[in-house]
Amino acid sequence: GDSVTQMEGPVTLSEEAFLTINCTYTATGYPSLFWYVQYPGEGLQLLLKATKADDKGSNKGFEATYRKETTSFHLEKGSVQVSDSAVYFCALSALTGNQFYFGTGTSLTVIP
Amino acid sequence: DTAVSQTPKYLVTQMGNDKSIKCEQNLGHDTMYWYKQDSKKFLKIMFSYNNKELIINETVPNRFSPKSPDKAHLNLHINSLELGDSAVYFCASSPRGQGIGGELFFGEGSRLTVL
Repeated sequence: GDSVTQMEGPVTLSEEAFLTINCTYTATGYPSLFWYVQYPGEGLQLLLKATKADDKGSNKGFEATYRKETTSFHLEKGSVQVSDSAVYFCALSALTGNQFYFGTGTSLTVIP
Repeated sequence: DTAVSQTPKYLVTQMGNDKSIKCEQNLGHDTMYWYKQDSKKFLKIMFSYNNKELIINETVPNRFSPKSPDKAHLNLHINSLELGDSAVYFCASSPRGQGIGGELFFGEGSRLTVL
């Protein structure tokens, strides 16, 4: 079945460091891929998405590229800020139906 | 206006009690969901309704009963609460048939603590 595997945390980085959170997926066909972010005490909100191979999603300095050949959708940011401290979830939306599959979440803490 | 709103935000109750969480969305979406997030932040789908019809019903104890009076509302009733039910419950919605490209819109969550 469809599934998402993402890098386990927690991840701790200094401000302005480079961030990568790995995400790989298993799916039939060509799903849509998402990164959601959950700030402390809040619900999940969409960070970025990509709907087809080679698409790059970007938002707030974060980027991820839909790589069909490696079934990956790694999240990157060139220079993290303290305000980026949150839990990040990789997710896919199945080709049919209304099912979403989430990774286990990666907690990021950025220290000044 | 909050797109997906849940009430209450916090629930503290005793084992064995019954409680309900309400969810409303003003986005005009056809599909609504309940997710459970445990203390390790793991998200588990519980139920999904598409225009008042149950379409996803994961392996959840039958003490949990969803109800969708109309496509803008999806409530969750829990009977005979147990300690293991303590979690944050998230309501979400998405446009119908949006398996491609669409996204989930989440509420702020309802933190349930069972003592």
